[in-house]
Amino acid sequence: AQSVTQLDSQVPVFEEAPVELRCNYSSSVSVYLFWYVQYPNQGLQLLLKYLSGSTLVKGINGFEAEFNKSQTSFHLRKPSVHISDTAEYFCAVTSYNQGGKLIFGQGTELSVKP
Amino acid sequence: EAGVAQSPRYKIIEKRQSVAFWCNPISGHATLYWYQQILGQGPKLLIQFQNNGVVDDSQLPKDRFSAERLKGVDSTLKIQPAKLEDSAVYLCASSLDLRGTEAFFGQGTRLTVV
Repeated sequence: AQSVTQLDSQVPVFEEAPVELRCNYSSSVSVYLFWYVQYPNQGLQLLLKYLSGSTLVKGINGFEAEFNKSQTSFHLRKPSVHISDTAEYFCAVTSYNQGGKLIFGQGTELSVKP
Repeated sequence: EAGVAQSPRYKIIEKRQSVAFWCNPISGHATLYWYQQILGQGPKLLIQFQNNGVVDDSQLPKDRFSAERLKGVDSTLKIQPAKLEDSAVYLCASSLDLRGTEAFFGQGTRLTVV
């Protein structure tokens, strides 16, 4: 069975500071990994995804993530955050044999302060 | 391209009442998912359709929840009778196929059972 652990439930950070949101996964087969963002009272918006190839993935809004197979991690980073990045972030995993079913982590609440 | 449409956005009902949610996926998307997101948690899959057939409903509480996608396009999720613990956001998602390379989410329906 696959699982995802987001290591921080809340991350407070000041505006223009760098941020890292941590995600570890467990799977017995090759994985597809995703980061989604959820703004209040909204659905999930895809930030970026890793399917194969380069382990450094760039997404929207200046976010990037690095797939590390040996450490089974997929941490999300942004070098300089804005107030508008305040939201809930979800890491998710699936694989080719799961029919697209996503397993989500518990979420990390990013709070950007002025 | 129009996104995944869901209605209603919000619903408040009393326990033991029934409720139905509607989802219209992105045009041409064969795969449709219903996820339940309880406050403070990541979304969890309830049911998955491929065209008008059920792929996975192992996590659907079938004594009270039902879902259909009769013509392989729109889908309806029903709860009857509702319990207090059904209070959650119900998210619909769609994807082109079962490969799992990307899913698009609607804005969700927030259900409050009182």
